[in-house]
Amino acid sequence: NAGVMQNPRHLVRRRGQEARLRCSPMKGHSHVYWYRQLPEEGLKFMVYLQKENIIDESGMPKERFSAEFPKEGPSILRIQQVVRGDSAAYFCASSRSGYANIQYFGAGTRLSVL
Amino acid sequence: GQQLNQSPQSMFIQEGEDVSMNCTSSSIFNTWLWYKQDPGEGPVLLIALYKAGELTSNGRLTAQFGITRKDSFLNISASIPSDVGIYFCAGQGGGADGLTFGKGTHLIIQP
Repeated sequence: NAGVMQNPRHLVRRRGQEARLRCSPMKGHSHVYWYRQLPEEGLKFMVYLQKENIIDESGMPKERFSAEFPKEGPSILRIQQVVRGDSAAYFCASSRSGYANIQYFGAGTRLSVL
Repeated sequence: GQQLNQSPQSMFIQEGEDVSMNCTSSSIFNTWLWYKQDPGEGPVLLIALYKAGELTSNGRLTAQFGITRKDSFLNISASIPSDVGIYFCAGQGGGADGLTFGKGTHLIIQP
């Protein structure tokens, strides 16, 4: 997972606050994926973005969650009005191109909602 | 949605023993991947498999892409303490852009 940078590593929010998770892909990678991992579970796909475009958001909850990957700067996963059930580890992965290209993961952001 | 059944859920072995774990799916995947995750870290890629029937090695690790494209196994030979961790299989393809992960196999090595 060298090269994919996520911050913060740990984030604590109270119910109702907003959480912003950032991901900078590996150098040369223009495809970003976000996953969520609950304790004792595997990672669940949320959204796939290419620069300035959302390609596949089939795993994103319909409300409160949004993602962007602007032309300049990191990809952002935004969770509005957080609830306790949002507590999880959120991982970002990047790949050089899409479909069938190897995804490399960051170290994750652990979100705790009080 | 697509689901992967990974087994066993956990393994308690002695150092030096060989390890085998597998994943099965009801869906066909075009790529199978095996990752290892240490506590507090992200998954690290171990082996990638691209063709049905493919057998690939990476040091003491060997993985195979099943002929039916619905299963894969990972073997670890002569386990050492640093092999401890959670191993995940992941499938890619079948119309989905994201990876579909198994629930993981916890490997615990007793000295």
